[in-house]
Amino acid sequence: AQSVTQLDSQVPVFEEAPVELRCNYSSSVSVYLFWYVQYPNQGLQLLLKYLSGSTLVESINGFEAEFNKSQTSFHLRKPSVHISDTAEYFCAVRGGGYNKLIFGAGTRLAVHP
Amino acid sequence: DAMVIQNPRYQVTQFGKPVTLSCSQTLNHNVMYWYQQKSSQAPKLLFHYYDKDFNNEADTPDNFQSRRPNTSFCFLDIRSPGLGDAAMYLCATSRDVQNQETQYFGPGTRLLVL
Repeated sequence: AQSVTQLDSQVPVFEEAPVELRCNYSSSVSVYLFWYVQYPNQGLQLLLKYLSGSTLVESINGFEAEFNKSQTSFHLRKPSVHISDTAEYFCAVRGGGYNKLIFGAGTRLAVHP
Repeated sequence: DAMVIQNPRYQVTQFGKPVTLSCSQTLNHNVMYWYQQKSSQAPKLLFHYYDKDFNNEADTPDNFQSRRPNTSFCFLDIRSPGLGDAAMYLCATSRDVQNQETQYFGPGTRLLVL
């Protein structure tokens, strides 16, 4: 069965510093991985996804994630964070049929001035 | 803009009083999902519709039901809400059920049970 582990529940960081949010997955089938962001009292927004091809995927707002099959990881990185990046970040893997998503517990990114 | 809409954004109900949450979409997607997200936890899939076919997760309580009268609308009915049902309820859609399809989420409805 598929599962996702987000190793850090909270990550505090200063503005303009780099950040890495860690995600490890377990899957016995083809791997499709996603990062979603959730701002306070809002729904989830897709940040980026890995389906196939290049193992490095990028989002439009400066985040990137690298699919590492040998380490079963899909860590999210940004070289310089902004206050507006403060949010909850969820890593997810496709689980079973019907396009189901299995989410990790989430990582709360807090960017401080 | 095509989108997933959830109403209301906040819903207050009383213990044991039936409540219905609604979701609509302008994306014309075949699949609609309902997730429950409790405070500081991951979203958990309750059930989904693939067109008119209803699929319940094995651990979804019988207290939760869903209706999809047409492609655009999907409802979540909680027959007898308990205090433990207080959560954010997220609706999502996807064009089809292939694994590469993206799920698009609505803003959620936060349910408070008094």
